[in-house]
This record gives sequence, C-alpha cells and structure tokens, in this order.
Amino acid sequence: DTGVSQNPRHKITKRGQNVTFRCDPISEHNRLYWYRQTLGQGPEFLTYFQNEAQLEKSRLLSDRFSAERPKGSFSTLEIQRTEQGDSAMYLCASSPPGGTGQETQYFGPGTRLLVL
Amino acid sequence: AQKITQTQPGMFVQEKEAVTLDCTYDTSDPSYGLFWYKQPSSGEMIFLIYQGSYDQQNATEGRYSLNFQKARKSANLVISASQLGDSAMYFCAMREALTSGTYKYIFGTGTRLKVLA
Repeated sequence: DTGVSQNPRHKITKRGQNVTFRCDPISEHNRLYWYRQTLGQGPEFLTYFQNEAQLEKSRLLSDRFSAERPKGSFSTLEIQRTEQGDSAMYLCASSPPGGTGQETQYFGPGTRLLVL
Repeated sequence: AQKITQTQPGMFVQEKEAVTLDCTYDTSDPSYGLFWYKQPSSGEMIFLIYQGSYDQQNATEGRYSLNFQKARKSANLVISASQLGDSAMYFCAMREALTSGTYKYIFGTGTRLKVLA
C-alpha cells in the first residue's frame, strides 16, 4: 500500500504524559500537513512541512505541541503534558511537489488520542 | 475569513437512489478550489472530487458529481446509484492560501450519510 500511513492508530494516555505520533507520507510527496479533528467537527489545520522545513504553524499549535520532519520523509508530532482537551483525531496529509501548491492533499487514517 | 457551511447533519437515502449533499462557501478570492472527502468510521479522509473556481464544467468522478453554482457559492455533491458502502461522513472543503505558497484546507462540519437497504 503506497498511501499515507500513521502510527499508532489509537493512543490512550493519562493527563500530563507526553505522546508522539508518526506519519509516513506517500513516498514522492514533499509536502506534509498535520490536522486535528475533534468530535463532530471537520479537520483543522495545525502545521505544514515542505521537505524538512516547517513553513506554517497554526495558532492552534500551542507551545506543548512540536512537530518535526528531520529528513524530509516521515514526520512526528509530539504533545507534551497532555490535557483532556487534546483528545482528538490527529490526521496527516501529503501532497506532491508542484509549482502552485494547489495539488490535492491525501490523508492518512489518523491517530485517535484519548487523554484520561 | 473563508468559510464552509454544510447544513445537513445527517441524510438517509435508499440504496440505488441518488442523493445530494449541500455545501455553501464564502470567499473573497477569485481563485479557489473546492473538494469533497469521504470519512468512513475507520477515520481516513478519502478524496472524492475537486472543482476549481475557473473550471467551466462541473466535475465528475464515476458516481460522484459536483453541482457547482458559482453565483450562489454552492458546491453540492451528488452521489448517483447509492451503495451501502457509501454510508460515511462527507466533508466539503475549500483551500486557503498560506504565506509559504501552499494551501491549507478549511473544512465544513460534515454530513453523515446512511444508505438504507
């Protein structure tokens, strides 16, 4: 399967713990996005990488959140000192290189986080 | 600010019938793109169809078509010959330019479609 993959698919943690999620984009895609989806809502943009550079960060991304894409391939999203409000589905998407940036984004299956 | 509105929280359709899912949008940009995604219970967002603001014809992809009415700022998804596997959440989205030259998507709140046997 050559789609976007995410691990783990589910994570249950206690408030105050740190968690890390991984996203592997489609192999030839150099653009990678993270979104967060809470219950009953559509996904909301968190951050964007072009190759290894993090070029965009939403105001939703508090100081407790950090994302990396060290070699321009897979990406990690870490949440420190988790809070119950962090419970959500975290979706990763990727899109191919192109001059316009208008290419369709392809999403992974998401990581569902529950903070107790 | 750009906005996507989906007014139907839930819809039912009989198998083999057609169904229309509504989406209206608000933007001041002359160039924009509209997308529909399907999200089954597994969580993955599956791309269905795309319509560019300058496209002269309505987009079609198999059983999916987009009824694009630019003056009314609507981009409704039409699913023909519904199948049981079409039961899922459907999201309308619009891309919004970011300063870095790429785009983020603005999503609506979704419509849950249930296909009845």
